[in-house]
Amino acid sequence: GAGVSQSPSNKVTEKGKDVELRCDPISGHTALYWYRQSLGQGLEFLIYFQGNSAPDKSGLPSDRFSAERTGGSVSTLTIQRTQQEDSAVYLCASSLGQKETQYFGPGTRLLVL
Amino acid sequence: AQKVTQAQTEISVVEKEDVTLDCVYETRDTTYYLFWYKQPPSGELVFLIRRNSFDEQNEISGRYSWNFQKSTSSFNFTITASQVVDSAVYFCALYYNQGGKLIFGQGTELSVKP
Repeated sequence: GAGVSQSPSNKVTEKGKDVELRCDPISGHTALYWYRQSLGQGLEFLIYFQGNSAPDKSGLPSDRFSAERTGGSVSTLTIQRTQQEDSAVYLCASSLGQKETQYFGPGTRLLVL
Repeated sequence: AQKVTQAQTEISVVEKEDVTLDCVYETRDTTYYLFWYKQPPSGELVFLIRRNSFDEQNEISGRYSWNFQKSTSSFNFTITASQVVDSAVYFCALYYNQGGKLIFGQGTELSVKP
């Protein structure tokens, strides 16, 4: 079956602009996660959804970052007023439920100029 | 505290050599879950294996094997007869029971030369 998909694959933006990153989880997976991978910080957790609610937002680095999930499926991660330090690969993962194995998408490479 | 340590940043071997990637974890949970993921140059994280803390049986999958030792809090990964296609960054991860997230180690970059 289809895996986790993310769009766009690559995004180049100017400092100060807003960006939206999209994640389509594996069909039937109720849990969805966002992570960020950057050179200096490794793999960092951002936010976790169970259904449409987000029990854990502890990893969002600032109030410029927000995420939503609608219909228990697609999720959007929004970064407002982007900064150069936001440049990273943003990875989405999904799982059947809590404590189940997480499967990752190909990521969105974000470059803020 | 929940933590995963992969002390080996980079490993370089010649094809057909065996190689072991180390992973040490810290957790106060009595039940926990450990994972290994592979990240080839293409960038996508590929799931390799999941180990539940209550199951200490070691596992072998083809050329891959995993050694889980609760006594030393380690979950090491061995590739037998390595191949060039094994070249990738390998991540060990611990599932955080209170939040749902994976806590990743720093990753080990494996280079297999022909």
